[in-house]
Amino acid sequence: EAQVTQNPRYLITVTGKKLTVTCSQNMNHEYMSWYRQDPGLGLRQIYYSMNVEVTDKGDVPEGYKVSRKEKRNFPLILESPSPNQTSLYFCASSPWTGGNEQFFGPGTRLTVL
Amino acid sequence: DAKTTQPTSMDCAEGRAANLPCNHSTISGNEYVYWYRQIHSQGPQYIIHGLKNNETNEMASLIITEDRKSSTLILPHATLRDTAVYYCIVADQTGANNLFFGTGTRLTVIP
Repeated sequence: EAQVTQNPRYLITVTGKKLTVTCSQNMNHEYMSWYRQDPGLGLRQIYYSMNVEVTDKGDVPEGYKVSRKEKRNFPLILESPSPNQTSLYFCASSPWTGGNEQFFGPGTRLTVL
Repeated sequence: DAKTTQPTSMDCAEGRAANLPCNHSTISGNEYVYWYRQIHSQGPQYIIHGLKNNETNEMASLIITEDRKSSTLILPHATLRDTAVYYCIVADQTGANNLFFGTGTRLTVIP
């Protein structure tokens, strides 16, 4: 089944403890991205990647890192999480850049205490 | 990317057509109209998109006015599982794929 998977789905952590949210797609898509969703603010793009080893900042990249060492995986790294990073995170992929038909993962609900 | 205006909420009776309007009066010539929906905190789901012609797929139909300043998403026979927030998005295809979701329309399908 074609899908985007994220792990973990739920995470409660404490300020400053490094964490990684994994994202994987099995559709051989070139494009992948990360969004966060907060009440009243909609979805905002954090980082995106147009292909392996090619990443770029979205609208709200501060406090996040990403890597794209292989086409299927696009992990989101929070080196020193803070409470304002408490949010619902979505990973998405698309078969080609510019296509805008994005496939979204199920989401990761992160709480930083 | 151009911004869109959608009603905050709508109700629709089960089995009837749901018509969701969207205004995008500042859309530019190379921007497409995309529709996504999000069912209660699940990942958004792509529905349909179009440039200027009407489009139909297995999920919905998209009607775009001739001047392209507004569009309507039509779910022909709404079911309870169609209850969701529907987002109308205008975007070009330059590569960043940064979709601006806004606040959307919360559609409630009533039994």
